[in-house]
Amino acid sequence: QLQLQESGPGLVKPSETLSLTCTVSGGSISSSSHYWDWIRQSPGKGLEWIGSIYYRGGTYYNPSLKSRVTISVDTSMNQFSLKLTSVTAADTAIYYCARDPISSGWHDSFDIWGQGTMVTVFS
Amino acid sequence: QSVLTQPPSVSGTPGQRVTISCSGSSSNIGSCPVNWYQHLPGTAPKLLIYNNNERPSGVPDRFSGSKSGTSGSLAISGLQSEDEADYYCAAWDDSLNGHWVFGGGTKLTVL
Repeated sequence: QLQLQESGPGLVKPSETLSLTCTVSGGSISSSSHYWDWIRQSPGKGLEWIGSIYYRGGTYYNPSLKSRVTISVDTSMNQFSLKLTSVTAADTAIYYCARDPISSGWHDSFDIWGQGTMVTVFS
Repeated sequence: QSVLTQPPSVSGTPGQRVTISCSGSSSNIGSCPVNWYQHLPGTAPKLLIYNNNERPSGVPDRFSGSKSGTSGSLAISGLQSEDEADYYCAAWDDSLNGHWVFGGGTKLTVL
């Protein structure tokens, strides 16, 4: 059974870079049938999609975060990663990674999620 | 302000049927399927409905989805106390090179 697990620092200082990794177990990240995504939820707010990556490296980003976000993939480690630069308190959130099946050539849904990791931007 | 519009809250009593609406536009729900997620505090969101009206394995048939034009809808029949959660709609948006968009979420209270 495929599982996703987020990891990374729980505290980041303002203006610094938030870095998280999602490790895929029980399956291969090098699947032609899936994208791999990052999604977050700030305290008291709704879900916000951050971006997607394909195992060959193709990416899609949230237009409102695009200038600060980089998502990368390491197929040898079965991991994908998120970097968010110049963080502020508004980036404090639970960060989730998720699997995003491809159906009819399009992004289909988020069918498997990691448990989430809380990141606080705090000086 | 979320791209997809949901009511902030809905409520119902056990056994009742409730619906949650999700309004979008031609670039998202109007041209791509809508999905629904159930989110309980402290847990990961769970996929309830994909491709407008399909249920993943294990999701009870009390949950159903539909789409008409640029709007989607989630119906929950035979309401149970454990259905109390936040519900989110989502759809792929074709604009700006493509991106996912979510609704703001609807808090379901079982009275």
